[in-house]
Amino acid sequence: GEDVEQSLFLSVREGDSSVINCTYTDSSSTYLYWYKQEPGAGLQLLTYIFSNMDMKQDQRLTVLLNKKDKHLSLRIADTQTGDSAIYFCAEIFGGYQKVTFGTGTKLQVIP
Amino acid sequence: DGGITQSPKYLFRKEGQNVTLSCEQNLNHDAMYWYRQDPGQGLRLIYYSQIVNDFQKGDIAEGYSVSREKKESFPLTVTSAQKNPTAFYLCASSIVDTENTEAFFGQGTRLTVV
Repeated sequence: GEDVEQSLFLSVREGDSSVINCTYTDSSSTYLYWYKQEPGAGLQLLTYIFSNMDMKQDQRLTVLLNKKDKHLSLRIADTQTGDSAIYFCAEIFGGYQKVTFGTGTKLQVIP
Repeated sequence: DGGITQSPKYLFRKEGQNVTLSCEQNLNHDAMYWYRQDPGQGLRLIYYSQIVNDFQKGDIAEGYSVSREKKESFPLTVTSAQKNPTAFYLCASSIVDTENTEAFFGQGTRLTVV
C-alpha cells in the first residue's frame, strides 16, 4: 500500500513556531488533511488543503503543499502547551474512500 | 448531537477469548472504518465498509472480523486468532464522496489482553 511518512517526535518551547512535516506517495490525492489526537482520545480534524492549492492559512495554522516533492507541512505559530498532542497527516485518494494516515508526530511543548 | 460513539472505553480480555468492540454513529454516514493504533506506528486500517452488508479488508485484517447489518453500526470482533491484540482501537465514519471526505472519529477503545 501507499506510505505516508512523518517524523515521530518534535519538541518546541512555548511561544515558538512548530513545523510538522509529512511526505506522501500518491500523486492522485485529492485532499490532504491534518488531524490532532490528544492523549487517550480520538482524532479531530484541524485543517485540510485541496491538492491544487500551495498554501492555506487558518489562524495559527499554516499548511504548505509541495506537490512536486509530495511534501506537506503544518506550521503552528505561537505554540502553546495545549498544542501538545500527536499530529497525523492523511491523504484521500480521489475515487475511493479509504483514508491513509501517516505514522503521527508527537509534539511536546516545553513551558 | 450527531457523533460517533465507541464503547467501552477500556476493555480487558483473557487470552483465547473473542471480544467485540462497539461503534455507533448517527451522522448518516455510509462509510465506516476500524483502525488500530500502536505506539510509533500511527494508524493502520483493519476493515472498512462503504455500504450496509458490505465490507473490505484493510491492511491488517487477520484475526479480526466485522459486520455491517445496519448503517449506524460497525462492530469489530477481535478473535483469539489475533496474535497481539493489545492496542488502542479507533472507529471512524465518513460520507462517501469523491470531492471531500473528512473522517469523524470515536474516542477509542483501549483493549488489554491479560
